[in-house]
Amino acid sequence: AQSVSQHNHHVILSEAASLELGCNYSYGGTVNLFWYVQYPGQHLQLLLKYFSGDPLVKGIKGFEAEFIKSKFSFNLRKPSVQWSDTAEYFCAVNADPYNAGNNRKLIWGLGTSLAVNP
Amino acid sequence: DTEVTQTPKHLVMGMTNKKSLKCEQHMGHRAMYWYKQKAKKPPELMFVYSYEKLSINESVPSRFSPECPNSSLLNLHLHALQPEDSALYLCASSQRGQGAMGEKLFFGSGTQLSVL
Repeated sequence: AQSVSQHNHHVILSEAASLELGCNYSYGGTVNLFWYVQYPGQHLQLLLKYFSGDPLVKGIKGFEAEFIKSKFSFNLRKPSVQWSDTAEYFCAVNADPYNAGNNRKLIWGLGTSLAVNP
Repeated sequence: DTEVTQTPKHLVMGMTNKKSLKCEQHMGHRAMYWYKQKAKKPPELMFVYSYEKLSINESVPSRFSPECPNSSLLNLHLHALQPEDSALYLCASSQRGQGAMGEKLFFGSGTQLSVL
């Protein structure tokens, strides 16, 4: 079965530090890749996604992620975090999206809880 | 309007009660979803409606009954729930109903449900 692995369950950083959150998936075919963020008390929202084309994608709030197909990875990065980036971050994968039964099923990682100290 | 609105925000119910959760979007999206989320865990897909037809049911117990009265509304009817059903119930929508790839999900803020 397909799975998504987020390596860091809890990350604590100081403001201005650089961030990289790991995400690996297990599926050898076509994938769509997403990072969602859930700020405390707020709804889940999309940070960025990879569908096709340039494997380096830029999202909102200065986040970016790189799809490395050979490593089955889609790591999230931000060069300088802020206190307001404190949130839960979820990586999600839509495996085999051309299959009509799959294209609305996302496989979610367990999430990474990021705390940024001011 | 880029919001998905869910009501109520909080709900406490007994195991013999019947209640309903409501979700509304006015973005013209043709796919709507119910997810269940436990604290600090990823959301778990329950149901997907596509063009007002149920297209995915992730083997959810029959005590949860979804309904899509029209393209803007999604309900989740609850009956005889168990304490382990206590969770945040999230509604989401996406633009196209079928064959869509790489679609962004728009989530509501959820209904925090407690079953006593």
